[in-house]
Amino acid sequence: SQTIHQWPATLVQPVGSPLSLECTVEGTSNPNLYWYRQAAGRGLQLLFYSVGIGQISSEVPQNLSASRPQDRQFILSSKKLLLSDSGFYLCAWGDDLNSPLHFGNGTRLTVT
Amino acid sequence: AQSVTQLDSQVPVFEEAPVELRCNYSSSVSVYLFWYVQYPNQGLQLLLKYLSGSTLVKGINGFEAEFNKSQTSFHLRKPSVHISDTAEYFCAVSPQDSSYKLIFGSGTRLLVRP
Repeated sequence: SQTIHQWPATLVQPVGSPLSLECTVEGTSNPNLYWYRQAAGRGLQLLFYSVGIGQISSEVPQNLSASRPQDRQFILSSKKLLLSDSGFYLCAWGDDLNSPLHFGNGTRLTVT
Repeated sequence: AQSVTQLDSQVPVFEEAPVELRCNYSSSVSVYLFWYVQYPNQGLQLLLKYLSGSTLVKGINGFEAEFNKSQTSFHLRKPSVHISDTAEYFCAVSPQDSSYKLIFGSGTRLLVRP
């Protein structure tokens, strides 16, 4: 069966520090991969998605970047965090048009 | 472009009462529709989905939703809620001409009281 792992679960970082959140998927090949952000009291915002290795699409201009160095690995990064980067970050994967997304348990990032 | 509106940010209800969580969407193309549930500090779990066929869709945990194309709605219902149903519920749409984007509403917090 397919599983998705996301870490760390929680993270507290000072403003201006770098960020690296990792997500890996097991049990499937060539998944579509996604990064969403959920700000406090708000819905989910799609940040990036990837349909293959090295293929990244950005939905919202921002202080973050994403990379997909391997088929089932998706990384969210920042060179210098801002206070506004605080939120709950969710990684997800999907197969095709008809399939729903499967989410990881999320990373709660607090930038201080 | 697509958008999803969940007008109710919070819905309080007593245990064993029925509940309806509203979802309306806007899209220039046909869409697939989903409801997800999020328990505190967790990821999202799929409740149900509408792809085609019968407009009444049944999901897990006794939830169901009805797709109404003319009203562009996909309201979620449960005839009798439990304390354990307390969670955040998200409606989402995915345009049928793009396999990669799932657009979420802002969420509705269901608060079930004893």
